[in-house]
Amino acid sequence: DIQMTQSPSSVSASVGDRVTITCRASQGIAGWLAWYQQKPGKAPKLLIFSASTLQSGVPSRFSGSGSGTDFTLTISSLQPEDFATYYCQQANSFPLTFGGGTKVEIK
Amino acid sequence: QVQLVQSGAEVKKPGASVRVSCKASGFTFTSYGISWVRQAPGQGLEWMGWISGYNDNADYAQRFQARVTMTTDTSTSTVYMELRSLRSDDTAVYYCARDDGSSWYTYWGQGTLVTVSS
Repeated sequence: DIQMTQSPSSVSASVGDRVTITCRASQGIAGWLAWYQQKPGKAPKLLIFSASTLQSGVPSRFSGSGSGTDFTLTISSLQPEDFATYYCQQANSFPLTFGGGTKVEIK
Repeated sequence: QVQLVQSGAEVKKPGASVRVSCKASGFTFTSYGISWVRQAPGQGLEWMGWISGYNDNADYAQRFQARVTMTTDTSTSTVYMELRSLRSDDTAVYYCARDDGSSWYTYWGQGTLVTVSS
């Protein structure tokens, strides 16, 4: 199975801050990576797929980069509605696996 | 519009089985696969398996292989997930999600809370 390691597990930030979350795969997955945002009591929401493609309707302050084993999700200017937990997911092969999550909290 | 509507919350005793349904609408059911993902309280996301809406082929995560069965009913565009021999650590919210074709998941059900308690 491909292990996905996210860091940090939590980050405290203020509105307007730039936030970067990293995700590392235990083996190369090319660009087969997605990022999701989840708010309490809600299903995950797809933000980015293919490592860097923004899902329709997602604000442009979100961006993704990386390939192979190392990936990054960046929020360029944190907004109040962005406080949530973020997960990466590899789509290279079954079993699909998720990172452990990064909780973005208000500073 | 695409919708995945799941069955309601369940309370089960250890050792029992649970079946959760996921009724799809707004798209051609047989053109997509559906995955099940669960989330224990306060924990992360865990993929359980995937089933094809076209031919019922399924692929399960190893840790659930012996206890889970996913099936489809194309006449009602419904996917079912049965989990047997329930344990307290199966307490979780169970989500179905539509595979967009490359194992990305845009559409999700609302989640079904399964509580396992004696």
